[in-house]
Amino acid sequence: DGGITQSPKYLFRKEGQNVTLSCEQNLNHDAMYWYRQDPGQGLRLIYYSQIVNDFQKGDIAEGYSVSREKKESFPLTVTSAQKNPTAFYLCATNLGTSGTYNEQFFGPGTRLTVL
Amino acid sequence: GQQVMQIPQYQHVQEGEDFTTYCNSSTTLSNIQWYKQRPGGHPVFLIQLVKSGEVKKQKRLTFQFGEAKKNSSLHITATQTTDVGTYFCAVISNSGYALNFGKGTSLLVTP
Repeated sequence: DGGITQSPKYLFRKEGQNVTLSCEQNLNHDAMYWYRQDPGQGLRLIYYSQIVNDFQKGDIAEGYSVSREKKESFPLTVTSAQKNPTAFYLCATNLGTSGTYNEQFFGPGTRLTVL
Repeated sequence: GQQVMQIPQYQHVQEGEDFTTYCNSSTTLSNIQWYKQRPGGHPVFLIQLVKSGEVKKQKRLTFQFGEAKKNSSLHITATQTTDVGTYFCAVISNSGYALNFGKGTSLLVTP
């Protein structure tokens, strides 16, 4: 919650451009996640990472890429291959590698609009 | 993986009325979590249920986990305008490391 920052809050891009969304946390959590939220669709998992230098695809990874070079950072790149990128993107963290039994903490989100 | 269906999708109540949202699964769940998202905000964790038949209360909110661990409910007594938002349930995905969220129930409370 308060320990997760996402920037920018609003982002506009032209069709065909790649864009990178930032997610930084100071909670010292091992696990980090990216979700996409569309109206009436709930939250859908894009990618997640349990540890530095390792990450796994979620349900809707096509057109997205991530990196996890530092524990604190998990940036998401929305590539031009993503056909419907306009959405609300949420980054989340979790305490440990087996931490789905723990709560997830969410950042404030980035609202991406493709023009 | 474990998936949940959440109903209703929308609910509009007068302030003071009660509200309930339900999550249902075709498979036995290991646990279930509930989150609230205010309009324009991000999801915030409310509670986790683990045991069969478990009931937990948070002030006017009552959370239940079914005896068969295939369904759960969130009940709000005497709604207030501060209860407005979308309520999500979430369950562990196949990988064991991520959550699958229901589509949520959006609650609107009019004074």
